[in-house]
Amino acid sequence: GENVEQHPSTLSVQEGDSAVIKCTYSDSASNYFPWYKQELGKRPQLIIDIRSNVGEKKDQRIAVTLNKTAKHFSLHITETQPEDSAVYFCAASGTGNQFYFGTGTSLTVIP
Amino acid sequence: DAMVIQNPRYQVTQFGKPVTLSCSQTLNHNVMYWYQQKSSQAPKLLFHYYDKDFNNEADTPDNFQSRRPNTSFCFLDIRSPGLGDAAMYLCATSRGQGATYQETQYFGPGTRLLVL
Repeated sequence: GENVEQHPSTLSVQEGDSAVIKCTYSDSASNYFPWYKQELGKRPQLIIDIRSNVGEKKDQRIAVTLNKTAKHFSLHITETQPEDSAVYFCAASGTGNQFYFGTGTSLTVIP
Repeated sequence: DAMVIQNPRYQVTQFGKPVTLSCSQTLNHNVMYWYQQKSSQAPKLLFHYYDKDFNNEADTPDNFQSRRPNTSFCFLDIRSPGLGDAAMYLCATSRGQGATYQETQYFGPGTRLLVL
């Protein structure tokens, strides 16, 4: 099955700085890569996703890049704000409709 | 406008006493998932239904079972809960379009299970 690794496990940035979270996956058949934000005690919320036929996608302060050859994808958050503090999960999905999650990154934005 | 609903939000059960968690959806999605999420960990896929087809993950314990009587409802049965089964259980849905094209997952609010 798919194996998704995520780094770093914790990340602290100053407000206004950028944050980058990286994930790697093992199954070359994976073709859909969502990113979720999860606040304490709440459900995961999709913040951005990318498909394997696209190398980069941007939505305001959030962007995701994908390198299919290297099997890695990254989340970029610019101009971070305190409300960006949460746990972020990457995930990968391919054949079979399963979604496999990375181990999570706890992001703290320091005001 | 609740789309994926889970009941109850909190469930307390006794060690070894069967428990059922429920999930319903108003999205008419054909794929429904159950995840287990323990504190400070990622959601772990237990199984999913594609329409009526049940797909179990290889490492899901036999203690966990599921039923999907119709498109809207899906149940998670834990036959003999142990202390290690205490976790948040998340239901999710998506619109499946075959095995190779994935759509966005929508999560329910989760049911937090406590085993005494």
